[in-house]
Amino acid sequence: QVHLQESGPGLVKPSETLSLTCTVSGASINSYYWGWIRQPPGKGLEWIGYIYYSGRTNYNASLRSRVTISVDTSKRQFSLKLLSVTATDTAVYFCARVPAVTDRDYWYFDLWGRGTLVTVSS
Amino acid sequence: EIVLTQSPGTLSLSPGERATLSCRASQSVSSDYVAWYQHKPGQAPRLLIYGASNRDTGIPGRFSASGSGTDFTLTISRLEPEDFAVYYCQQGAGSPVGFTFGPGTRVDIK
Repeated sequence: QVHLQESGPGLVKPSETLSLTCTVSGASINSYYWGWIRQPPGKGLEWIGYIYYSGRTNYNASLRSRVTISVDTSKRQFSLKLLSVTATDTAVYFCARVPAVTDRDYWYFDLWGRGTLVTVSS
Repeated sequence: EIVLTQSPGTLSLSPGERATLSCRASQSVSSDYVAWYQHKPGQAPRLLIYGASNRDTGIPGRFSASGSGTDFTLTISRLEPEDFAVYYCQQGAGSPVGFTFGPGTRVDIK
């Protein structure tokens, strides 16, 4: 059974860097795309970006200047870094899998972690 | 950027009733990249539908979806108590593919 688990600090100070890791168990990370999505309190879902196991990435244009997603296949982990955070970055952050390989596949998120709340506050 | 609009914002229904949820895109999108999710507080979102009309493994038959172009619909034929949740549509577009989620429809118990 495939399981995704987010981990990282629950509190980050304004202007600092938010860092989260997603650990994949029960499946190889050496295929498909792996992404991050967030949900601010009381709001809807926002796609942040994704990474292919080879390192290819794509980011939401609204966050591109501040986001980096990386992958460590040996640890079956992928990570999110969001620079210069403000209170508007307070959200539950989810990691998820995209079971696609090419543009001709269906694109959606089939497996999700339970999410981790990150609060930006001094 | 493609914007998704979901209606209604809230749907108040009783168990056993039929729920019809709408998702409209600001421009035509590929059905291959349209999905629907169910989300309950404190839980991971659950994939219901991918490719606009394909039920994911283990999703009950009371969930169905259809649509193409700019208009997509999720239907729950007879609401069960566990179906009261927020439902999001999602689309992908571009190369590389980028994702957008709709604002969600809350299905409440009447």
